[in-house]
Amino acid sequence: QEQLVESGGGVVQPGRSLRLSCAASQFIFTTYAMHWVRQAPGKGLEWVAAVSFDGSSETYVDSVKGRFTISRDNSKNTLYLQMNSLRPEETGVYFCARTTPRSVAVFDLWGLGTMVTVSS
Amino acid sequence: QSALTQPRSVSGSPGQSVTISCTGTSSDIGTYNYLSWYQQHPGKAPKLMIYDVTKRPSGVPDRFSGSKSGNAASLTISGLQAEDEADYYCCSYAGSDIYALFGGGTKLTVL
Repeated sequence: QEQLVESGGGVVQPGRSLRLSCAASQFIFTTYAMHWVRQAPGKGLEWVAAVSFDGSSETYVDSVKGRFTISRDNSKNTLYLQMNSLRPEETGVYFCARTTPRSVAVFDLWGLGTMVTVSS
Repeated sequence: QSALTQPRSVSGSPGQSVTISCTGTSSDIGTYNYLSWYQQHPGKAPKLMIYDVTKRPSGVPDRFSGSKSGNAASLTISGLQAEDEADYYCCSYAGSDIYALFGGGTKLTVL
């Protein structure tokens, strides 16, 4: 069935970098905008970044602008999130999700997430 | 922009109905009918339950319904079942720059 699988999480020191990946399968990846959404421990969901279906446009939450870069490789059905200058408050589970082209901001498929811990 | 506002917790007995509120502003919920609700069980990925304020994806029971009035939206779950116990999040489109705002989440306890 349709699936998103994140990887790349781990423990990283404040100020360092990490690159997350999200492998998509069993659906036409190139027809969907893709997103990263994070969840701090015991907290709610926070939308982080989006990339258009063809990778031509990106959008970010203000707190990560200039530090995070979302990208995709449609030949590999893979979404990425390059995270630089990480902060302790960015610790949490990072989910990749797709939005249906039939509406706006409707996250109809999610991965299980990958845990990022920013700590010295 | 701040996150949407939800009650921290709600509860109900099996068979009863509960309503979870979600309050935003004229810049998000008040402007757009792109309001969705997600169910999340502990340690699991969120699941889409309602989209475009009132629409249900296939497979979601009709016990789940959504509505909106002004800057606020609601999710109503009727005929509560034990498996409905989970966290619920609302989400609204907030424009091309911010894209999506989530609520802080509401923990539903089935007594």
